[in-house]
Amino acid sequence: ETGVTQSPTHLIKTRGQQVTLRCSSQSGHNTVSWYQQALGQGPQFIFQYYREEKNGRGNFPPRFSGLQFPNYSSELNVNALELDDSALYLCASSSSPGGTDTQYFGPGTRLTVL
Amino acid sequence: SQKIEQNSEALNIQEGKTATLTCNYTNYSPAYLQWYRQDPGRGPVFLLLIRENEKEKRKERLKVTFDTTLKQSLFHITASQPADSATYLCALEAGTASKLTFGTGTRLQVTL
Repeated sequence: ETGVTQSPTHLIKTRGQQVTLRCSSQSGHNTVSWYQQALGQGPQFIFQYYREEKNGRGNFPPRFSGLQFPNYSSELNVNALELDDSALYLCASSSSPGGTDTQYFGPGTRLTVL
Repeated sequence: SQKIEQNSEALNIQEGKTATLTCNYTNYSPAYLQWYRQDPGRGPVFLLLIRENEKEKRKERLKVTFDTTLKQSLFHITASQPADSATYLCALEAGTASKLTFGTGTRLQVTL
């Protein structure tokens, strides 16, 4: 186990709804990255937070937003859900935003949009 | 555009043999490359990182090579075991240190 936890484990929403996913980073880590993994694909980078500031964003629309709290836990918010948002959402924590620092992934949240 | 290719077909090998997985990339000049293991319904687990100035890296039964001329990394598991069955992902840093780009992964099945 990595020490990174995510909630909820599974979620079912309907198109147009909004969802909030949560991630608790590993103790001592100040950086959280979020990824979307569609079935049969590799994880796609959504964005990263470092010490409560956004530190890089992938090619996702603005309805994907997030924040990081003083304890370095993080939230991913998705507004106006679309069917294609159905995926496994992964967060990963690391001790710094440097790419060579190991990223420890949580178990993910499986989101289904109907 | 930037592309990472891993063999999408599953690799089936017999226990005890060496498994070799391939990661090819185009339009990248990554400073380093990482390999992860992912089991069904779980998050990826980091295995190895190799830098552009390293030709080879080993960790127990794992070996990774990185050829920046061929734009290819090979991932080897020697003396493979059924417990090695999983999907293996390669990932490159993509311009900014904060962003990893993953391949689609190759599923390895080790049979008795």
